[in-house]
Amino acid sequence: QLQLQESGPGLVKPSETLSLTCAVFGGSITDSRYYWGWIRQSPGKGLEWVASIYYYSGSTHYNPSLKSRATISVDTSKSQFSLRLMSVTASDAALYYCARVAGDYYYAMDVWGQGITVTVSS
Amino acid sequence: DIQMTQSPSTLSASIGDKVTITCRASQSISDWLAWYQKKPGKAPNLLIYKASALEGGVPSRFSGSGSGTEFTLTISSLQIDDFAIYYCQHYNPYSWTFGQGTKVEI
Repeated sequence: QLQLQESGPGLVKPSETLSLTCAVFGGSITDSRYYWGWIRQSPGKGLEWVASIYYYSGSTHYNPSLKSRATISVDTSKSQFSLRLMSVTASDAALYYCARVAGDYYYAMDVWGQGITVTVSS
Repeated sequence: DIQMTQSPSTLSASIGDKVTITCRASQSISDWLAWYQKKPGKAPNLLIYKASALEGGVPSRFSGSGSGTEFTLTISSLQIDDFAIYYCQHYNPYSWTFGQGTKVEI
């Protein structure tokens, strides 16, 4: 049973860089059937896709609303993938989830981490 | 960009009711649609993919239908565990778009 676990600082200062990591347990991060992604939920708002990566091809994809501030990457040696978000503002404060994206499931997100809350404040 | 619009935003229902949530796409998306259930303090849970395929372990009272621009999630007999927020989500290579959510409340 695959499990995902987010980690990272819960507090980031405005204009600084947010760095989050998602550890993958019980499965292979290099499995060609899956993408890996980040989704966030701002307070009182709905779900917003942030970024996704396909290790097999190295392709990365980002929500255009982030205006090139985001970088997603995979570290196979640690079986984890990461999100970096530069120049954060208060609007980046959210509950961030990592998820597995299943190609066999029409690219639905079939496994999720429990989420990590990120606050942006000086 | 394709927009996903859910209705209603909030739905009040009772145990045993049949509940239907609608998700409309701003243009045809074939059957590239998933549904998730989200409860406070918990991660979203995949219910339906490919518009109508039930994810393993999801109770059979949940069903999805539709194609093109209009989709529905139906709960045939609402249970206490079903009070939550439901999101539709579209995949369009290579971006994922969620609807704004429908809250099912008592």
